[in-house]
Amino acid sequence: GESVGLHLPTLSVQEGDNSIINCAYSNSASDYFIWYKQESGKGPQFIIDIRSNMDKRQGQRVTVLLNKTVKHLSLQIAATQPGDSAVYFCAEIPNFNKFYFGSGTKLNVKP
Amino acid sequence: DGGITQSPKYLFRKEGQNVTLSCEQNLNHDAMYWYRQDPGQGLRLIYYSQIVNDFQKGDIAEGYSVSREKKESFPLTVTSAQKNPTAFYLCASSSGGRHYEQYFGPGTRLTVT
Repeated sequence: GESVGLHLPTLSVQEGDNSIINCAYSNSASDYFIWYKQESGKGPQFIIDIRSNMDKRQGQRVTVLLNKTVKHLSLQIAATQPGDSAVYFCAEIPNFNKFYFGSGTKLNVKP
Repeated sequence: DGGITQSPKYLFRKEGQNVTLSCEQNLNHDAMYWYRQDPGQGLRLIYYSQIVNDFQKGDIAEGYSVSREKKESFPLTVTSAQKNPTAFYLCASSSGGRHYEQYFGPGTRLTVT
């Protein structure tokens, strides 16, 4: 598979547990934030987004929390499954068509 | 099926050679992007194009060139001037109405020796 997961922080969780993946962003002017999932050897896949005027958004089994005071974003995955094993990274968008991606966290789900 | 495709999945070249990576989308998206991904690092923007016949440099455009002659296609040429071309290259596209939601291709792993 691809080596994109090398040297990344790793979060190991038991199947069925909840996972929390964190991301710090740098630009306080960023208006939009996105979480992506990237499986080995594949392109990133959009998971969920949140605008800067919100502090929480829920999707199917996922919740994104935004704390603008400390410039922190988190992704919560409920009832983590083996298929959730991947690299997860956030992106901040300060202006149109400019994305800044974090380096990612590798999620390892143990059966 | 609508989607974005990149070919080939793996590409090997000798140092000093130019190489062109293909990216095609049938999503009718106006905007297309090229990113580079290195181990342990986030995606970095190489070039992007918002409409046909127009493109803009991203953060690491040196040593790369692009064209956008058709809406569906956005090929990337890695030239011999790129000092560290070995990387995983990702193409993405987005629509005008939801430009924040980028759809990524499967990527091309380029190895230059």
